[in-house]
Amino acid sequence: QLHLQESGPGLVKPSETLSLTCRVSGGSITSSNYYWGWIRQPPGKGLEWIGSTTMSYSGGPYYNPSLKSRATVSEDTSKNQFSLKLTSVTAADTAVYYCAASSRGGWEFDYWGQGTLVTASS
Amino acid sequence: EVVMTQSPATLSLSPGERATLSCRASQSVNRDVAWYQQRPGQAPRLLFYGASTRASGIPARFSGSGSGTEFTLTISSLQSEDFAVYYCQQYTYWHTFGQGTKLEVK
Repeated sequence: QLHLQESGPGLVKPSETLSLTCRVSGGSITSSNYYWGWIRQPPGKGLEWIGSTTMSYSGGPYYNPSLKSRATVSEDTSKNQFSLKLTSVTAADTAVYYCAASSRGGWEFDYWGQGTLVTASS
Repeated sequence: EVVMTQSPATLSLSPGERATLSCRASQSVNRDVAWYQQRPGQAPRLLFYGASTRASGIPARFSGSGSGTEFTLTISSLQSEDFAVYYCQQYTYWHTFGQGTKLEVK
């Protein structure tokens, strides 16, 4: 049973970089069984996929085209965690950020972290 | 980008009634659709993948159907815990989510 836990600053100044980490327990991020992702949800709004990574396929990480130039997803295998960096944040990046995983080798997300609210404000 | 459009935006029903939620894709996504339930203050919960395969632990009163561009989530007899927001997601072309349907108590 996977468990995912997001961590990182809850407040980021406009134009700065948002950095979040997702610690994984109950499974290895190096396993080809899993597909990892970051999804965000602005207050009162819907879900938006940011980016994903996996050891199953080459060519990754993969990004939402609307965010690709600002987002970076990376893995830290020594700590069994993966991270998100989002540069040049604005108020529009204020959201609950979730890390999530697919454990079936597919592309749907069956495990989610609890989410962490990040506010972009001076 | 594949746009997923959900209808209705809000559905008001009573416990015991049947709920039918729709999701339309702007182009064919085969059967690469998942459905999620999100209760207030919680992370989304996977209900279905492959349009109609129930995820682990999901009650039988939930069913999913569809292919191509038209998809449906049905709840046969609403329980109190089913009142929540539901999202569809396609994963043929990366990932895009619908805007959600709020299922509320009438």
